[in-house]
Amino acid sequence: QQQVKQSPQSLIVQKGGISIINCAYENTAFDYFPWYQQFPGKGPALLIAIRPDVSEKKEGRFTISFNKSAKQFSLHIMDSQPGDSATYFCAASSEGYSTLTFGKGTMLLVSP
Amino acid sequence: AAGVIQSPRHLIKEKRETATLKCYPIPRHDTVYWYQQGPGQDPQFLISFYEKMQSDKGSIPDRFSAQQFSDYHSELNMSSLELGDSALYFCASSLSLSPGLAGEQFFGPGTRLTVL
Repeated sequence: QQQVKQSPQSLIVQKGGISIINCAYENTAFDYFPWYQQFPGKGPALLIAIRPDVSEKKEGRFTISFNKSAKQFSLHIMDSQPGDSATYFCAASSEGYSTLTFGKGTMLLVSP
Repeated sequence: AAGVIQSPRHLIKEKRETATLKCYPIPRHDTVYWYQQGPGQDPQFLISFYEKMQSDKGSIPDRFSAQQFSDYHSELNMSSLELGDSALYFCASSLSLSPGLAGEQFFGPGTRLTVL
């Protein structure tokens, strides 16, 4: 049973467009929701993270939107660039940043 | 800034052999996590250590064991290797914000294990 469901599995966006990746979770004990970016053959890199006490967090071109009642959160990448082409994983954990449960990942391709 | 160091970066083993993967966390980080990522899959949590004690256990096979040493580096020992163990193995480290409250996890570059 996948505790964190991520969609879409893959995404193609034109340069300058907005990339949107969605995640939903089941466990109401989750209280920390990070997004990781991973390039082929590399380790996941922390992109941005949010806790349930806020509904939105923005860092540069990356924004997390969080809907606690719906148990959903999403990543928006504004002005997407070819260098953003990577696999993005949402994750969740409880009890203060402990063990991460990952979504299945989204392969993003930003076309020039 | 210093990052998580993993060695070796690539490892090729035969079935039924043993392998040892090493992880050197970011300086001052006190918690280490091990994850396994199969091709096209998400990272799966194996085991974690806080202050040299096992803090959490995930889907780690009984053939695998791990420990964290006094200098906070960690080793993942894998015995009786199977073809299905071929994967990327990531180590992550974090600094506890307070006892029982781990900080953000930073991942290493991974070790690619191939079992033939």
